Amino acid sequence: QSALTQPASVSGSPGQSITISCTGTSSDVGGYNYVSWYQQHPGKAPKLMIYDVSKRPSGVSNRFSGSKSGNTASLTISGLQAEDEADYYCSSYTSSSTWVFGGGTKLTVL
Amino acid sequence: EVQLVESGGGLVKPGGSLRLSCAASGFTFSSYSMNWVRQAPGKGLEWVSSISSSSSYIYYADSVKGRFTISRDNAKNSLYLQMNSLRAEDTAVYYCARVEMATINYWGQGTLVTVSS
Repeated sequence: QSALTQPASVSGSPGQSITISCTGTSSDVGGYNYVSWYQQHPGKAPKLMIYDVSKRPSGVSNRFSGSKSGNTASLTISGLQAEDEADYYCSSYTSSSTWVFGGGTKLTVL
Repeated sequence: EVQLVESGGGLVKPGGSLRLSCAASGFTFSSYSMNWVRQAPGKGLEWVSSISSSSSYIYYADSVKGRFTISRDNAKNSLYLQMNSLRAEDTAVYYCARVEMATINYWGQGTLVTVSS
């Protein structure tokens, strides 16, 4: 049950695009299209932003998009806004019928 | 509107026990698998345990196996986590979360568990 690997931090200026990677194994990210991404602001509960690799829940801005290649999934945020500054976590369903999270990425909007 | 409200957190001594509850509303609770996920102070998210809609399938993270027990009461729309033999490293905010098609899609606001002497 090793955590998925994410960069500790990323940053970008308003209006720019950033991408956060999430690397796992063939037993989780690479083996299933059940990768999700969560946004968490300080002191708040996580919020689902992307599910099934690239689907957006109702109400989530289309500036958020997801993709996957092999054992690595990615979250892209385009047209960065100040309100996007938060921690982002990836998650995957696993071959053990459990879930695994990434270590989290702190996004700073400069 | 989906609502998940956790309760039961607090301060407990190492080796002690605590039972967390999660009250669900706004959806047909008995139709969904449920998870517990925790977050230690300043740290990332950690999946703890899951239970299927009818309690037929139960899974635990290695870090809590043998010490924590997940259960549910569909008649009361409630999810539980019995935590025994608590350790300092169990200190965290514990979130109740709903699962839909292998996606954790709704989260409660969390309840803080502090294990300290």
